[in-house]
Amino acid sequence: GQQVMQIPQYQHVQEGEDFTTYCNSSTTLSNIQWYKQRPGGHPVFLIQLVKSGEVKKQKRLTFQFGEAKKNSSLHITATQTTDVGTYFCAGAGNTPLVFGKGTRLSVIA
Amino acid sequence: SQTIHQWPATLVQPVGSPLSLECTVEGTSNPNLYWYRQAAGRGLQLLFYSVGIGQISSEVPQNLSASRPQDRQFILSSKKLLLSDSGFYLCAWRPGPGTEQYFGPGTRLTVT
Repeated sequence: GQQVMQIPQYQHVQEGEDFTTYCNSSTTLSNIQWYKQRPGGHPVFLIQLVKSGEVKKQKRLTFQFGEAKKNSSLHITATQTTDVGTYFCAGAGNTPLVFGKGTRLSVIA
Repeated sequence: SQTIHQWPATLVQPVGSPLSLECTVEGTSNPNLYWYRQAAGRGLQLLFYSVGIGQISSEVPQNLSASRPQDRQFILSSKKLLLSDSGFYLCAWRPGPGTEQYFGPGTRLTVT
């Protein structure tokens, strides 16, 4: 079945440093979604990418969808303590979402 | 607007006891519904999903079961809890394929 791999598993950064998490699928995705889960909370939808090579920005967050629609990345510029949490990618299609295992981001002030 | 409710927020149950977790969605009809379990510091494990009343698909065979007695109600049950059933249980819904997913606040279950 479809698998979505996400790396790294953990990332510790100093406040102000950049952060990137990568997502790779074993199959071509119709679209990909990103979610953020704050410590103690539930995952919250951030964005969906649909088109090959698509790039979307939300303030300091930049999301990319690969040309082959098999990989994606989330880049955070100048991290802040409010960015702390676990970021999940999820391959979307007609079946239930296939989530990556997430990247847990810690930001040291 | 749509709202998803889960209860209870926390639960401590002894091994061998039964379990019933309820999830309801308001403000939408015929949602796709999902149950996930998340172990501490781990990823999201899909347990069950439903695309309609009475339709349940199981992703992981174990001592849990799910039911959808009404369009916007999804119930997770167990007849006898195991220690390994401890975790954070999340209900989620989405309008249909290719749409974003909305998670409930979750239930933290500790089996002692």
